[in-house]
Amino acid sequence: DGGITQSPKYLFRKEGQNVTLSCEQNLNHDAMYWYRQDPGQGLRLIYYSQIVNDFQKGDIAEGYSVSREKKESFPLTVTSAQKNPTAFYLCASSIKQTEAFFGQGTRLTVV
Amino acid sequence: DAKTTQPNSMESNEEEPVHLPCNHSTISGTDYIHWYRQLPSQGPEYVIHGLTSNVNNRMASLAIAEDRKSSTLILHRATLRDAAVYYCILSPQDFGNEKLTFGTGTRLTIIP
Repeated sequence: DGGITQSPKYLFRKEGQNVTLSCEQNLNHDAMYWYRQDPGQGLRLIYYSQIVNDFQKGDIAEGYSVSREKKESFPLTVTSAQKNPTAFYLCASSIKQTEAFFGQGTRLTVV
Repeated sequence: DAKTTQPNSMESNEEEPVHLPCNHSTISGTDYIHWYRQLPSQGPEYVIHGLTSNVNNRMASLAIAEDRKSSTLILHRATLRDAAVYYCILSPQDFGNEKLTFGTGTRLTIIP
């Protein structure tokens, strides 16, 4: 079945460590997105990519990095520069201006 | 970017229709109106979107005011599975979904 897969579902990280969140889609979508959600809040855009080998910063890109080497994959690295990384991270993909499909999310906790 | 205003929360009885309002008084002529919903601990799910005319699909209906300054998402017969946070979002026609700005939405509670 087509869809978008995020892994792992839960992730624990020690302070000062980088960690990479996986996002894979088999929907043949050109565009992919990463959002962050804090408790009781809406989603905030971190990075987005409209095509392979190209990506743009969203509203809260500081402390994060991404790559888009393949159409199907858009991994997000949370670096040690991110001051408050504990959050729920959501990946999405879409064809331009049609519905966005979201993954089930990765809940990252810094311990 | 144009903003939307939604009530923080609403309640509805099971098996009754639900009307979720959204105000967007600064909408521009090329902004699409999108609705998504998010169940607890899950990613958002697309519900419906429209530009000017009312829209229907298997999940819901979208009623858009003639002046486009407001819209209403209609769930025709609420079930317990419809309990979620509903987001009303504007997105410019010429952009991709990077312009989807998710606010805090309306938390819908369904009463059995």
